[in-house]
Amino acid sequence: EVQLVEFGGGLVQPGGSLRLSCAASGFTFSSYTMNWVRQAPGKGLEWVSYISSSSNTIYYADSVKGRFTISRDNVKNSLYLQMNSLRSEDTAVYYCARRKDSSGSNDYWGQGTLVTVSS
Amino acid sequence: DIQMTQSPSSLSASVGDRVIITCRASQSISTYLNWYQQKPGQAPNLLIYVASSLQSGVPSRFSGSGSGTDFTLTISSLQPEDFATYYCQQSFRPPFTFGPGTKVDIK
Repeated sequence: EVQLVEFGGGLVQPGGSLRLSCAASGFTFSSYTMNWVRQAPGKGLEWVSYISSSSNTIYYADSVKGRFTISRDNVKNSLYLQMNSLRSEDTAVYYCARRKDSSGSNDYWGQGTLVTVSS
Repeated sequence: DIQMTQSPSSLSASVGDRVIITCRASQSISTYLNWYQQKPGQAPNLLIYVASSLQSGVPSRFSGSGSGTDFTLTISSLQPEDFATYYCQQSFRPPFTFGPGTKVDIK
């Protein structure tokens, strides 16, 4: 069974940092591209970042470029999102999601981890 | 960047109704369009990928169509478990933008 479990969320002050992790199991993690997607409270979905299976290709949303860094460890079957210079508008539930195939759709999602940026 | 719009933003419908949600891209995205369902407190669930392919395990009352800039999600006969918010997403090029969502609630 495919499982994605995010952790590392919490309350952080503006300007602070946080590192999210996503533990993958039930599939060959090293073969799949992964995404981070977030959802602010009561709002819609926002794609955040993309990393290819071998980490060769990485993309970011403009809203996080220069502040967030996506990475992965294919030995530990883990995906990461290092978030620096956090702002109140980064407050959201952060989901990791598996990219299905060349279609670009996300077929499995974690349950999400809440990041709250507030003083 | 490719902008995605959806209409309507919300709708009220009854069990058994046929529901159609539209999604429009600001430029052609071929068929790189995916649909997700999200219920409160849950992660999104993939329904349709590449515009018209039904994800495994998704009921056949869900269907998708379209190409280029205009797409539709159709629920042929709305069921109680279908009351949720629906999002389209383009996977043609980054940033992989989502539409603003369509909330389907009970009339």
